[in-house]
Amino acid sequence: NAGVTQTPKFRVLKTGQSMTLLCAQDMNHEYMYWYRQDPGMGLRLIHYSVGEGTTAKGEVPDGYNVSRLKKQNFLLGLESAAPSQTSVYFCASRYLQGNTEAFFGQGTRLTVV
Amino acid sequence: AQSVTQLDSHVSVSEGTPVLLRCNYSSSYSPSLFWYVQHPNKGLQLLLKYTSAATLVKGINGFEAEFKKSETSFHLTKPSAHMSDAAEYFCVVSAPILTGGGNKLTFGTGTQLKVEL
Repeated sequence: NAGVTQTPKFRVLKTGQSMTLLCAQDMNHEYMYWYRQDPGMGLRLIHYSVGEGTTAKGEVPDGYNVSRLKKQNFLLGLESAAPSQTSVYFCASRYLQGNTEAFFGQGTRLTVV
Repeated sequence: AQSVTQLDSHVSVSEGTPVLLRCNYSSSYSPSLFWYVQHPNKGLQLLLKYTSAATLVKGINGFEAEFKKSETSFHLTKPSAHMSDAAEYFCVVSAPILTGGGNKLTFGTGTQLKVEL
């Protein structure tokens, strides 16, 4: 059972380039999230989804887009990368029922130069 | 609205001594609370969770936390620190699902625990 898998694990982009981060979960969870982690700031929510075909903005959504075409996948896109988007990105998923914990991927370390 | 404050950004203890990592929360509803641990260059692992059952919650690796509604606190403790406990710890709050806020987990800014010989 793989849990939550993020691809890629590392990436270096030039300013202005675009890329997509993929998150896949095999636990049939309804909720999925994208967070970014920066030193001293904890994890901040970028976007989230409460089910297939739905997405919503989190705390820091600017410069990012997301899509959830399939229940098991949640994609995070950067259309025109900026150095301020250098960060570690985490995807998470959780069940709809009960206030259960979230399961996290191993993270994607993105550097924008 | 919900928020979490981790009162110490860094905590240093000697191996074998007690650990206390402090967390205060704010929530408009009866929250669920979690502690996660992150070892260097790793993902986040759940240590323990409070979801309105017993107020004293036991987790993995000897950690426990007590939910105190009157103090809006959820401090993490361990009787005896081990070198392997050195990591960053995050306190997380989530509101009940039906309030519409339960689909979001709000993180504290983290506490870096250092364990010295």
